[in-house]
Amino acid sequence: DIQMTQSPSSLSASVGERVTITCRASQGISTQLAWYQQKPGKVPKLLIYTASTLHLGVPSRFSGSGSGTDFTLTISSLQPEDVATYYCQEYNSAPQTFGQGTKVEI
Amino acid sequence: QVQLQQWGAGLLKPSETLSLTCGVYNGTFSGYYWSWIRQPPGKGLEWIGEINHSGSTNYNPSLKSRVTISVDASKNQFSLKLNSVTAADAAVYYCARGGYDSSGYHKYWGQGALVTVSA
Repeated sequence: DIQMTQSPSSLSASVGERVTITCRASQGISTQLAWYQQKPGKVPKLLIYTASTLHLGVPSRFSGSGSGTDFTLTISSLQPEDVATYYCQEYNSAPQTFGQGTKVEI
Repeated sequence: QVQLQQWGAGLLKPSETLSLTCGVYNGTFSGYYWSWIRQPPGKGLEWIGEINHSGSTNYNPSLKSRVTISVDASKNQFSLKLNSVTAADAAVYYCARGGYDSSGYHKYWGQGALVTVSA
């Protein structure tokens, strides 16, 4: 099974600051990677799929990059409404796996 | 807009069987994979398994011995059974749509169902 290692596990940044979250796969997954945002008590929301494709309606300050084993989620200018936990998910093959999450605070 | 609505028992005793069903509305059921994902309180997301409209399944190896996912394509529904539950199975359980013809990412999610395990 593929393991996904996400870092950092938590971070605190200021409004307007650039934030980067990384996700590393234990083996190559091409671009079969998605990112989700989950606010407390809410259902996870899809942000990005195929590593860099922004889901419809997601603000353009979110971006994703990477292929193979190393991936990043970037928030170009952190906003108060971005406070949440972010998860990566690989779907290269079953069983799919999620990263352990990154909690973003302001 | 595709909607997933899930239902099932929320309070179980140890050793009982967890049973949840997810209905899919306003969208195509055939061709897609349909997943169950869970999240223990304060913890991350764990994929449980998936099924497609014809009944082909994939399971998380860590749960495979206790999990059964089934489908009723005539009703656009799929179900999860997890037997011999313990306190470690207490979580919010989500159903979600996966990819077309393969595992995939999850664009649509159910509302979540809190399952508590207590004697």
